Amino acid sequence: EDQVTQSPEALRLQEGESSSLNCSYTVSGLRGLFWYRQDPGKGPEFLFTLYSAGEEKEKERLKATLTKKESFLHITAPKPEDSATYLCAVGSGGYNKLIFGAGTRLAVHP
Amino acid sequence: DSGVTQTPKHLITATGQRVTLRCSPRSGDLSVYWYQQSLDQGLQFLIQYYNGEERAKGNILERFSAQQFPDLHSELNLSSLELGDSALYFCASSVGRDRSYGYTFGSGTRLTVV
Repeated sequence: EDQVTQSPEALRLQEGESSSLNCSYTVSGLRGLFWYRQDPGKGPEFLFTLYSAGEEKEKERLKATLTKKESFLHITAPKPEDSATYLCAVGSGGYNKLIFGAGTRLAVHP
Repeated sequence: DSGVTQTPKHLITATGQRVTLRCSPRSGDLSVYWYQQSLDQGLQFLIQYYNGEERAKGNILERFSAQQFPDLHSELNLSSLELGDSALYFCASSVGRDRSYGYTFGSGTRLTVV
């Protein structure tokens, strides 16, 4: 069965303290690994798509990497405005469905 | 504003009732996806429509149904509501048949069944 597991469930960082979020997956035929950011009461906001092992993408303080079994979202020198829930999702089988992990709740304190 | 519009934002209703959630996709997007987000289950895919036709189905209950109209807006109908149906319901849209480039979510409808 296709599955996505994110860790840790919650992460508290001081401003400027870099860290990484993990997304491990088991899927029959990966059709993309997606990262989203979700703020309270809002819909998920698309961040990155990764398709093959070794691929990396960056956006401001965020960098996503992909291996054959997991993806990391590295946050460099985070700021309080980076506080949110970060969701990882995989596309599998057909091109339609995304399977989401439970997310990592990130809190960055000044 | 993501460009995907969902109404209403909040809905409170009693068990056994029926409600309709509405979604207008981003301009130019032909695919609409519905997701349910509850505290214990995370985001769960319900159903996808592409240009008026059903394309994919997830774990959608038989009490739930959806459709996409010629103007591309979509409605999700939830009937015989139970307490466990309380959740956030999100609509997302994408240009093509698939979501290879990630799709855009609306702000959601929070449904509370009492």
